Amino acid sequence: SSALTQPPSVSVAPGKTARLPCEVHNIGSKSVHWYQQRPGQAPVLVIYYDNDRPSGIPERFSGSNSGNTATLTITGVEAGDEGDYYCQVWDDNSDHRVFGGGTKLTVL
Amino acid sequence: QVQLVESGGGVVQPGTSLRLSCVASGFTFTNYDMHWVRQAPGKGLEWVALIRYDGKNDFYSDSVKGRFTISRDNSKNTLHLQLSSLRAEDTAVYYCARDNYRTTAYSYYFDFWGQGTLVTVSS
Repeated sequence: SSALTQPPSVSVAPGKTARLPCEVHNIGSKSVHWYQQRPGQAPVLVIYYDNDRPSGIPERFSGSNSGNTATLTITGVEAGDEGDYYCQVWDDNSDHRVFGGGTKLTVL
Repeated sequence: QVQLVESGGGVVQPGTSLRLSCVASGFTFTNYDMHWVRQAPGKGLEWVALIRYDGKNDFYSDSVKGRFTISRDNSKNTLHLQLSSLRAEDTAVYYCARDNYRTTAYSYYFDFWGQGTLVTVSS
């Protein structure tokens, strides 16, 4: 599977909206999953199947996926949202799992 | 509640071997495929290996194929990763993670992760 491209960093002021893209050709044909990793902690699933939230994940987290870009959107960003965010897809040719390089979200 | 607890990490020399373990609890282990995912210091997540729920099939990333072996003991709710011919670039935190999917959609994700165990390969 082709590499998933994520910007290394995104900065946003508290209370604003953060949009974190994940890009690869025709990603809209796949289901995309997103993980949050706070400093020193294990990853946590925040969005699966493009826009579903596991229980316990705030409604401020949402996702979209179309064309060549999937996007994780966090509205009303809080200091506790700081960390690294990774997108992930399933490679149906190999049954491997593929991660994007990750985006570091900084709350100003 | 679901718990995954890894162990077995440490400092080893290049070319040597190490065995990692992950003990699962809070769910029916035999119902789930399981993975190992690693993260080199300051780097992103890298998928390493997958084993089917019954242990009959396994899959590996190109970077570890032929050197690492994933296995499971369903009688002990334990997942293993045998690391051999270790290289400096294998230095990472190794996480075990549970696989999940929706029967109505053709994709897979990791719904629970352990806290990880650090493997350092250095002479």
